[in-house]
Amino acid sequence: EAQVTQNPRYLITVTGKKLTVTCSQNMNHEYMSWYRQDPGLGLRQIYYSMNVEVTDKGDVPEGYKVSRKEKRNFPLILESPSPNQTSLYFCASRPWGRVRNTIYFGEGSWLTVV
Amino acid sequence: DQQVKQNSPSLSVQEGRISILNCDYTNSMFDYFLWYKKYPAEGPTFLISISSIKDKNEDGRFTVFLNKSAKHLSLHIVPSQPGDSAVYFCAASGETSYDKVIFGPGTSLSVIP
Repeated sequence: EAQVTQNPRYLITVTGKKLTVTCSQNMNHEYMSWYRQDPGLGLRQIYYSMNVEVTDKGDVPEGYKVSRKEKRNFPLILESPSPNQTSLYFCASRPWGRVRNTIYFGEGSWLTVV
Repeated sequence: DQQVKQNSPSLSVQEGRISILNCDYTNSMFDYFLWYKKYPAEGPTFLISISSIKDKNEDGRFTVFLNKSAKHLSLHIVPSQPGDSAVYFCAASGETSYDKVIFGPGTSLSVIP
């Protein structure tokens, strides 16, 4: 089954405590990205990666880091989380070269920073 | 400034009636449009799309209409069913993988039995 898997699904953490949200896809997709969903703002892209070792900033990259050491994995790192990073996060993947019908999302990770 | 707007945060419709969800965009370079559906505790899933060379695309109960001159698209669901209750995201892009997909803020649809 085609899947984008992210963990943890739910996390409450404290300000400043580094955390990593993992993301893995089993579709051999080149392109992976992270979004955050906030009320009234929709899905905003944080970072994306076009392939292994190729990453770039999206619309709201401040406070986040990513890495792409393997094609299937694209972890999101919050080095020093702050309360304004409380949000619902989605990892997504798609094949490179086509846009249509091909964005697959994970189930989401609820992150609360207190 | 949001390039993709969904001005109705929520919509309630009786079961069996038509649901119409609206979306406006500002960037005239967009030429491909998508609708995604999201249930609680799940990720968004693709629903239907339309290319700018068309003004209508239909898939079962779901039809998307595109009015390029008005930079407006709409999603029609006929007949609406309780299982359609979800958040619907409108999205826009260019045709190639180099073009970012921009999502709107979403409309929460409730279909009342």
